[in-house]
Amino acid sequence: KQEVTQIPAALSVPEGENLVLNCSFTDSAIYNLQWFRQDPGKGLTSLLLIQSSQREQTSGRLNASLDKSSGRSTLYIAASQPGDSATYLCAVFLDAGGTSYGKLTFGQGTILTVHP
Amino acid sequence: SAVISQKPSRDICQRGTSLTIQCQVDSQVTMMFWYRQQPGQSLTLIATANQGSEATYESGFVIDKFPISRPNLTFSTLTVSNMSPEDSSIYLCSVIGRTEAFFGQGTRLTVV
Repeated sequence: KQEVTQIPAALSVPEGENLVLNCSFTDSAIYNLQWFRQDPGKGLTSLLLIQSSQREQTSGRLNASLDKSSGRSTLYIAASQPGDSATYLCAVFLDAGGTSYGKLTFGQGTILTVHP
Repeated sequence: SAVISQKPSRDICQRGTSLTIQCQVDSQVTMMFWYRQQPGQSLTLIATANQGSEATYESGFVIDKFPISRPNLTFSTLTVSNMSPEDSSIYLCSVIGRTEAFFGQGTRLTVV
């Protein structure tokens, strides 16, 4: 059974710092990995998708890497801002074969607070 | 990308009653997914809804408690039946667009 772990559980930083969020998964037979942002009481906003054949993806100040063989992904946020404060979730897609496609296994999330 | 509209956005319900959550997608999709997020927890998949067939439930979730309808390729409903305070959660529907997952804004349910 796939298990996804995110470290740290919570992070509080001053504005302007660069930071790294970690995600690890137990089964390397994943299809894709996706990072999401969730504001309190809200739904999920997709940040970055990394396909299993890729090693990283970038969008603005965000960079996500994937090391499938070691079961790890990191989300790097550059020059953090108070508006980045949210919960960040990583999720892995099971392999595309059979009926598993589309099911996501989520980590517990990292609660990020960026202070002005 | 896919745009998902989910209703209601929130509700406060009496224990023992039922609530039906609607999910509308702006494009046709084969599978829709329903997730639950209990307070302070991450998301857990409840079931996969395919058009024209019975939903497939994950371990720990049963049809009597969470009946699902999928009348066409753009719409699905999840009912939370005979609610108790333990059902207080955010419920989210999701679809896959090519390779990426998209989520509705969620329904925040409080059972009193």
